[in-house]
Amino acid sequence: DTEVTQTPKHLVMGMTNKKSLKCEQHMGHRAMYWYKQKAKKPPELMFVYSYEKLSINESVPSRFSPECPNSSLLNLHLHALQPEDSALYLCASSQGALAVYYEQYFGPGTRLTVT
Amino acid sequence: GENVEQHPSTLSVQEGDSAVIKCTYSDSASNYFPWYKQELGKRPQLIIDIRSNVGEKKDQQIAVTLNKTAKHFSLHITETQPEDSAVYFCAASKEYGNKLVFGAGTILRVKS
Repeated sequence: DTEVTQTPKHLVMGMTNKKSLKCEQHMGHRAMYWYKQKAKKPPELMFVYSYEKLSINESVPSRFSPECPNSSLLNLHLHALQPEDSALYLCASSQGALAVYYEQYFGPGTRLTVT
Repeated sequence: GENVEQHPSTLSVQEGDSAVIKCTYSDSASNYFPWYKQELGKRPQLIIDIRSNVGEKKDQQIAVTLNKTAKHFSLHITETQPEDSAVYFCAASKEYGNKLVFGAGTILRVKS
């Protein structure tokens, strides 16, 4: 299995809602990432987990809260989002994070709309 | 921090022609340079990468060149096909942390 899966594919939420995005991989990768991608823009790194520990937080607002329950799962908890947070949220995984160069495999993304 | 500039922003070529996309980076410590292809509505997929100890790498119709002195690297696609139409992103990363910094992207259109 060489895929990263993400659920849901689409999500519409109000500014007062709480929702979660889920990412899963079964490739034995030990690093997982969250990216945000706006239309016609490159992916922007949000968080990196290495061996289930948060290793990089790119100064992301606290209304985004990542969680890595185990080496195969990555969640992104959303609360009190703003309309400008509407974007495609991509999850990625790689064999490692803190050594050498490992290809990052991307999931299909969750398209989030905040109303 | 690292800054990656990518040119051109759009590129139209005829089927069978070559396409070249160029990127420059600012941090001389960066030493890993992948290229991703993203078709409309799909996920980014790695098409080729190069590490700083190599000047050129080829894989079938695509090749990447790296000039560390000038801090720029380029993607070359030969004999383009309509299915090569997509957005192409270059990226740069340092050895540790695997933090990818992406260029702004190039929309490639291959006309048949």
